[in-house]
Amino acid sequence: GAVVSQHPSWVICKSGTSVKIECRSLDFQATTMFWYRQFPKQSLMLMATSNEGSKATYEQGVEKDKFLINHASLTLSTLTVTSAHPEDSSFYICSANPLAGIQETQYFGPGTRLLVL
Amino acid sequence: EDQVTQSPEALRLQEGESSSLNCSYTVSGLRGLFWYRQDPGKGPEFLFTLYSAGEEKEKERLKATLTKKESFLHITAPKPEDSATYLCALQGSGGSNYKLTFGKGTLLTVNP
Repeated sequence: GAVVSQHPSWVICKSGTSVKIECRSLDFQATTMFWYRQFPKQSLMLMATSNEGSKATYEQGVEKDKFLINHASLTLSTLTVTSAHPEDSSFYICSANPLAGIQETQYFGPGTRLLVL
Repeated sequence: EDQVTQSPEALRLQEGESSSLNCSYTVSGLRGLFWYRQDPGKGPEFLFTLYSAGEEKEKERLKATLTKKESFLHITAPKPEDSATYLCALQGSGGSNYKLTFGKGTLLTVNP
Protein backbone atom coordinates (compact mmCIF):
# COMPACT_ATOMS: atom_id res chain seq x y z
CA GLY A 1 0.00 0.00 0.00
CA ALA A 2 0.82 3.73 0.00
CA VAL A 3 2.12 3.91 -3.55
CA VAL A 4 2.79 7.25 -5.22
CA SER A 5 3.54 7.58 -8.93
CA GLN A 6 4.96 10.43 -11.00
CA HIS A 7 4.83 11.13 -14.69
CA PRO A 8 6.98 11.66 -16.61
CA SER A 9 10.10 10.15 -15.08
CA TRP A 10 12.34 12.09 -17.48
CA VAL A 11 11.74 15.28 -19.43
CA ILE A 12 14.02 17.37 -21.61
CA CYS A 13 12.75 20.72 -22.83
CA LYS A 14 13.95 23.91 -24.44
CA SER A 15 14.45 27.07 -22.44
CA GLY A 16 11.26 29.15 -22.28
CA THR A 17 8.82 26.27 -22.54
CA SER A 18 6.53 24.97 -19.80
CA VAL A 19 6.60 21.49 -18.33
CA LYS A 20 3.86 19.71 -16.38
CA ILE A 21 4.63 16.94 -13.87
CA GLU A 22 1.89 14.72 -12.45
CA CYS A 23 1.83 13.13 -9.01
CA ARG A 24 -0.75 10.45 -8.22
CA SER A 25 -1.54 8.48 -5.09
CA LEU A 26 -2.50 5.06 -6.45
CA ASP A 27 -4.06 3.26 -3.50
CA PHE A 28 -5.07 6.01 -1.09
CA GLN A 29 -6.56 9.46 -1.00
CA ALA A 30 -4.46 12.44 -0.05
CA THR A 31 -5.83 15.82 0.90
CA THR A 32 -2.24 17.04 1.12
CA MET A 33 0.64 16.45 -1.27
CA PHE A 34 4.10 17.95 -1.21
CA TRP A 35 6.56 18.97 -3.92
CA TYR A 36 10.31 18.81 -3.33
CA ARG A 37 13.35 19.65 -5.40
CA GLN A 38 16.69 17.89 -5.05
CA PHE A 39 19.95 19.06 -6.57
CA PRO A 40 22.87 16.65 -7.05
CA LYS A 41 24.35 15.40 -3.79
CA GLN A 42 22.00 17.57 -1.76
CA SER A 43 19.00 16.74 0.36
CA LEU A 44 15.35 17.35 -0.42
CA MET A 45 14.08 20.91 -0.22
CA LEU A 46 10.37 21.47 0.17
CA MET A 47 8.99 23.77 -2.50
CA ALA A 48 5.29 23.83 -1.71
CA THR A 49 2.40 22.07 -0.03
CA SER A 50 -0.50 21.18 -2.29
CA ASN A 51 -3.96 21.18 -0.72
CA GLU A 52 -6.95 19.61 -2.44
CA GLY A 53 -9.55 22.24 -3.22
CA SER A 54 -7.47 25.21 -2.13
CA LYS A 55 -4.39 27.19 -3.04
CA ALA A 56 -0.94 25.74 -2.55
CA THR A 57 1.34 27.00 0.20
CA TYR A 58 4.79 27.94 -1.07
CA GLU A 59 8.04 27.94 0.89
CA GLN A 60 10.01 31.12 1.21
CA GLY A 61 11.97 31.89 -1.93
CA VAL A 62 9.85 29.72 -4.24
CA GLU A 63 8.10 31.73 -6.99
CA LYS A 64 4.45 30.75 -7.07
CA ASP A 65 3.97 32.20 -10.55
CA LYS A 66 6.80 30.07 -11.89
CA PHE A 67 5.88 26.81 -10.17
CA LEU A 68 2.14 26.40 -10.61
CA ILE A 69 0.51 23.74 -8.47
CA ASN A 70 -2.98 22.33 -8.98
CA HIS A 71 -4.45 19.71 -6.64
CA ALA A 72 -7.38 18.70 -8.79
CA SER A 73 -8.57 15.68 -6.85
CA LEU A 74 -7.79 13.57 -3.80
CA THR A 75 -5.38 11.47 -5.87
CA LEU A 76 -3.77 13.94 -8.27
CA SER A 77 -1.53 16.99 -7.94
CA THR A 78 0.33 18.65 -10.79
CA LEU A 79 3.38 20.90 -10.84
CA THR A 80 3.90 23.10 -13.88
CA VAL A 81 7.26 24.73 -14.36
CA THR A 82 6.50 27.79 -16.48
CA SER A 83 9.05 29.40 -18.80
CA ALA A 84 11.68 26.92 -17.73
CA HIS A 85 15.34 27.94 -17.71
CA PRO A 86 18.50 25.84 -17.33
CA GLU A 87 18.71 26.70 -13.63
CA ASP A 88 15.37 24.90 -13.16
CA SER A 89 17.03 21.64 -14.15
CA SER A 90 16.70 19.39 -11.13
CA PHE A 91 15.09 16.26 -9.68
CA TYR A 92 11.50 16.96 -8.67
CA ILE A 93 9.86 14.61 -6.17
CA CYS A 94 6.34 14.59 -4.79
CA SER A 95 5.00 12.98 -1.65
CA ALA A 96 1.60 12.38 -0.12
CA ASN A 97 0.13 11.75 3.32
CA PRO A 98 -2.55 9.11 3.67
CA LEU A 99 -5.18 10.58 5.97
CA ALA A 100 -3.14 13.65 6.96
CA GLY A 101 -3.77 14.48 10.59
CA ILE A 102 -4.13 10.86 11.55
CA GLN A 103 -1.02 9.40 9.97
CA GLU A 104 1.76 11.81 9.25
CA THR A 105 4.09 9.57 7.26
CA GLN A 106 4.81 10.91 3.79
CA TYR A 107 5.23 8.45 0.95
CA PHE A 108 7.32 9.60 -1.98
CA GLY A 109 7.03 9.19 -5.71
CA PRO A 110 9.92 7.98 -7.87
CA GLY A 111 10.84 11.50 -8.97
CA THR A 112 11.00 13.38 -12.26
CA ARG A 113 14.32 14.41 -13.76
CA LEU A 114 14.00 17.75 -15.62
CA LEU A 115 16.69 18.97 -17.98
CA VAL A 116 16.23 22.40 -19.53
CA LEU A 117 18.45 23.11 -22.52
CA GLU B 1 13.62 26.65 13.55
CA ASP B 2 13.70 22.85 13.19
CA GLN B 3 17.14 21.45 12.38
CA VAL B 4 18.44 18.01 11.45
CA THR B 5 22.13 17.03 11.30
CA GLN B 6 23.22 13.64 10.07
CA SER B 7 26.60 12.02 10.57
CA PRO B 8 28.76 10.74 9.10
CA GLU B 9 28.24 12.18 5.61
CA ALA B 10 29.59 8.95 4.14
CA LEU B 11 30.27 5.52 5.59
CA ARG B 12 32.00 2.61 3.95
CA LEU B 13 31.58 -0.85 5.50
CA GLN B 14 32.59 -4.36 4.69
CA GLU B 15 29.79 -6.86 4.29
CA GLY B 16 28.84 -8.11 7.76
CA GLU B 17 30.40 -5.14 9.57
CA SER B 18 27.69 -3.61 11.78
CA SER B 19 27.52 0.13 12.43
CA SER B 20 25.22 3.03 13.26
CA LEU B 21 24.14 6.23 11.56
CA ASN B 22 23.36 9.30 13.66
CA CYS B 23 20.65 11.93 13.32
CA SER B 24 20.77 14.84 15.76
CA TYR B 25 17.85 17.21 15.86
CA THR B 26 16.41 20.32 17.45
CA VAL B 27 12.69 20.96 17.39
CA SER B 28 10.21 22.84 19.52
CA GLY B 29 7.80 19.93 19.63
CA LEU B 30 8.32 16.59 17.91
CA ARG B 31 5.41 15.17 15.95
CA GLY B 32 7.49 12.43 14.35
CA LEU B 33 10.99 11.45 13.24
CA PHE B 34 11.32 9.57 9.97
CA TRP B 35 13.98 7.45 8.31
CA TYR B 36 14.05 6.98 4.56
CA ARG B 37 16.33 5.14 2.16
CA GLN B 38 17.11 6.73 -1.20
CA ASP B 39 18.75 4.94 -4.10
CA PRO B 40 20.43 7.00 -6.86
CA GLY B 41 17.90 8.59 -9.22
CA LYS B 42 14.89 7.46 -7.17
CA GLY B 43 12.52 8.90 -4.62
CA PRO B 44 12.95 8.17 -0.90
CA GLU B 45 11.60 4.87 0.36
CA PHE B 46 9.93 4.94 3.77
CA LEU B 47 11.61 2.89 6.51
CA PHE B 48 10.45 3.99 9.98
CA THR B 49 8.50 6.56 11.95
CA LEU B 50 9.38 7.19 15.60
CA TYR B 51 7.20 9.33 17.82
CA SER B 52 8.64 9.43 21.33
CA ALA B 53 11.93 9.00 23.18
CA GLY B 54 12.68 5.37 23.97
CA GLU B 55 10.82 4.05 20.98
CA GLU B 56 12.53 1.44 18.79
CA LYS B 57 11.52 -0.13 15.48
CA GLU B 58 13.11 -2.93 13.46
CA LYS B 59 12.97 -4.12 9.91
CA GLU B 60 15.26 -6.89 8.70
CA ARG B 61 18.84 -5.69 9.34
CA LEU B 62 17.79 -2.18 10.35
CA LYS B 63 16.82 -0.88 13.78
CA ALA B 64 15.90 2.72 14.55
CA THR B 65 16.00 4.24 18.02
CA LEU B 66 15.03 7.65 19.37
CA THR B 67 16.10 9.87 22.27
CA LYS B 68 15.10 13.44 23.03
CA LYS B 69 18.03 14.79 21.01
CA GLU B 70 18.98 12.17 18.44
CA SER B 71 18.05 9.07 16.54
CA PHE B 72 20.22 6.17 15.48
CA LEU B 73 19.83 3.81 12.58
CA HIS B 74 21.66 0.61 13.46
CA ILE B 75 22.63 -1.69 10.62
CA THR B 76 23.43 -5.25 11.62
CA ALA B 77 25.53 -7.45 9.34
CA PRO B 78 24.93 -5.26 6.28
CA LYS B 79 24.87 -6.61 2.74
CA PRO B 80 25.90 -4.83 -0.48
CA GLU B 81 22.21 -4.28 -1.31
CA ASP B 82 21.96 -2.04 1.77
CA SER B 83 24.14 0.51 -0.02
CA ALA B 84 22.11 3.73 -0.38
CA THR B 85 21.70 7.19 1.07
CA TYR B 86 19.81 7.14 4.35
CA LEU B 87 17.80 10.25 5.11
CA CYS B 88 16.49 11.41 8.46
CA ALA B 89 13.60 13.88 8.62
CA LEU B 90 11.53 15.37 11.37
CA GLN B 91 8.09 16.83 11.63
CA GLY B 92 7.59 19.49 14.27
CA SER B 93 4.33 20.32 15.91
CA GLY B 94 4.78 24.04 15.25
CA GLY B 95 3.50 23.97 11.68
CA SER B 96 0.09 23.00 10.42
CA ASN B 97 0.95 21.40 7.11
CA TYR B 98 2.98 18.37 8.20
CA LYS B 99 6.16 19.78 6.71
CA LEU B 100 9.24 17.53 6.83
CA THR B 101 12.70 18.93 7.51
CA PHE B 102 15.38 16.68 6.04
CA GLY B 103 19.01 16.14 6.96
CA LYS B 104 21.63 15.94 4.23
CA GLY B 105 21.82 12.17 4.48
CA THR B 106 24.47 9.51 5.05
CA LEU B 107 25.79 7.75 1.97
CA LEU B 108 26.34 4.12 2.95
CA THR B 109 28.50 1.85 0.83
CA VAL B 110 28.75 -1.83 1.74
CA ASN B 111 31.54 -3.69 0.00
CA PRO B 112 31.31 -7.44 -0.63
